[in-house]
Amino acid sequence: SQQGEEDPQALSIQEGENATMNCSYKTSINNLQWYRQNSGRGLVHLILIRSNEREKHSGRLRVTLDTSKKSSSLLITASRAADTASYFCATDAGAAGNKLTFGGGTRVLVKP
Amino acid sequence: DGGITQSPKYLFRKEGQNVTLSCEQNLNHDAMYWYRQDPGQGLRLIYYSQIVNDFQKGDIAEGYSVSREKKESFPLTVTSAQKNPTAFYLCASSIALTARAFFGQGTRLTVV
Repeated sequence: SQQGEEDPQALSIQEGENATMNCSYKTSINNLQWYRQNSGRGLVHLILIRSNEREKHSGRLRVTLDTSKKSSSLLITASRAADTASYFCATDAGAAGNKLTFGGGTRVLVKP
Repeated sequence: DGGITQSPKYLFRKEGQNVTLSCEQNLNHDAMYWYRQDPGQGLRLIYYSQIVNDFQKGDIAEGYSVSREKKESFPLTVTSAQKNPTAFYLCASSIALTARAFFGQGTRLTVV
């Protein structure tokens, strides 16, 4: 089964609104990463947050990590039509093998 | 231009045939991965390699084989034993297993 699971599976918002998506995972981790995928393309790395960090920012992106709840959230502020994509969290499964595994993704549609 | 290259972009295979997908990187990364993505789904790990001449099975290795004879190259063979090979295949590399991954643009394999 997958280590990370995103919620919601799909999200539709108006341009200018904020988009929030969550990722839950099962085992301890070294770090958690968020990626973006445009339709039919490869994934692009957005941000990496280490297990000893609680919050990280990059431009309009804000990521939080709560290791006690084994969850993370990705917030995209002031969304744009170009933010339309699928967003995935990835974890390294900590001591269980360090391989990078992905969740099912959140499909975000930003309407102009 | 540094990066990770997958070829071909589209591939058609007759039932019962083996087919090999190419993945090359010039990023000097030790770790490489192969993932499978079905429509509207997340990424599932097929095989991964931490270093040359070493590779490990992922979650869905049955019907697939890999080799890692050179640091730059991690080809994936989809064998006739893979019962449902039609999917989007993504290759990735990273400096280490827990680090940020760089993805190729994917190969879309269709069985005809």
